[in-house]
Amino acid sequence: QKEVEQDPGPLSVPEGAIVSLNCTYSNSAFQYFMWYRQYSRKGPELLMYTYSSGNKEDGRFTAQVDKSSKYISLFIRDSQPSDSATYLCAMTRYSGYSTLTFGKGTMLLVSP
Amino acid sequence: EAGVVQSPRYKIIEKKQPVAFWCNPISGHNTLYWYRQNLGQGPELLIRYENEEAVDDSQLPKDRFSAERLKGVDSTLKIQPAELGDSAVYLCASSLRGLAGVFTGELFFGEGSRLTVL
Repeated sequence: QKEVEQDPGPLSVPEGAIVSLNCTYSNSAFQYFMWYRQYSRKGPELLMYTYSSGNKEDGRFTAQVDKSSKYISLFIRDSQPSDSATYLCAMTRYSGYSTLTFGKGTMLLVSP
Repeated sequence: EAGVVQSPRYKIIEKKQPVAFWCNPISGHNTLYWYRQNLGQGPELLIRYENEEAVDDSQLPKDRFSAERLKGVDSTLKIQPAELGDSAVYLCASSLRGLAGVFTGELFFGEGSRLTVL
């Protein structure tokens, strides 16, 4: 079993839909959680960074962490065609340790 | 400000040939990473440098892969000899520690070097 599991998709939604992307993890040592967005033939870029369980909101994006269930989510409200990309969850053990473990990514397609 | 620069963007070689990738991180970033991303997979760490020191190279296949980061700035990743299974995108990233050495979660990635081994 991989440390981080993520459904690869693709996930196809119409413009304006609410999107839910999820990851589960098995290593309880993971304490810091990130979502990266990767456009085709580009490197990943950071979207959200969270530590504690609960929700963190940034514009149309909300990151949710449930450490008791080892489950993290990213919600995208009012999805746009420009949101079409692969979304990678990533996590690390503690703030002083910067090597990230990534999920395999979920490909999202938002149609106009 | 310039981002992480990688070259070449694309490389096609025959198996058993050598190949090298170059990375110039963001100025002032002390931590540099090489990740490998296979098709349909997330990036997997090959090696992490703190300044010139390789502090995490446990996933680097040392029989054929080597890396160096001279003077704590640019880095090169070499594969010799390449195998068919090495076809992937090789991503370089850099990061900066914040106050008290705290990592802020943000890696800055280059666009990657796409290797095809025939």
